Amino acid sequence: QVRLVQSGAEVKKPGASVKVSCKASGYTFTGYFIHWVRQAPGQGLEWMGWLNPHSGETNYAQDLQGRVTMTRDTSINTAYMEVTRLKPDDTAVYYCTRGLTMDDAFDIWGQGTMVTVSS
Amino acid sequence: DIQMTQSPSTLSASVGDRVTITCRASQSISIWLAWYQQKPGKAPKLLIYKASSLESGVPSRFSGRGSGTEFTLTISSLQPDDFATYYCQQYNIYSPLMFGQGTKVDIK
Repeated sequence: QVRLVQSGAEVKKPGASVKVSCKASGYTFTGYFIHWVRQAPGQGLEWMGWLNPHSGETNYAQDLQGRVTMTRDTSINTAYMEVTRLKPDDTAVYYCTRGLTMDDAFDIWGQGTMVTVSS
Repeated sequence: DIQMTQSPSTLSASVGDRVTITCRASQSISIWLAWYQQKPGKAPKLLIYKASSLESGVPSRFSGRGSGTEFTLTISSLQPDDFATYYCQQYNIYSPLMFGQGTKVDIK
């Protein structure tokens, strides 16, 4: 069964960092890109960027450049997404999802990780 | 960047109704469009990819059409399980991936 399982909810203060994990199972981890998408409460979906687990190459949405880093550990089939210098506007559910290429529809999604940024 | 505009933002319908949602791209994206369904507290679910291809396991009452800049998602006979929010997404290689703002389908 193909699955993406994410780490649990986080509460952070403004200025802190958060790192969310996404563990893949049921398929070849290095064969699909991992994308990250976030959704603020009551809002729509925002694409954040992608990671190529095979090469480690990344591409980030322009609005998040400099604050987001996507990495992976192929030995444990896990991708990570870190956001630094958190702001209250970063409060959202963060999803990992997979696509066959860098530009593709997303067929499998993680369950989501709620990140709350509050003083 | 390519912008995606969905209409309507909210749609009230009854079980058995035929429902159509429209998504317009600010420039041509060929057929590189997907549709997702999202229920409260859940991750989105892929319904349609490449504008008109039905994802495996998705009921045939869902269909997608269009190319270039105008696309539609149609539910031929709305079922109770279909009340949800629907998003389009463009994945043209020459532009950052972008979602529409969503269309909520609720009970009339």
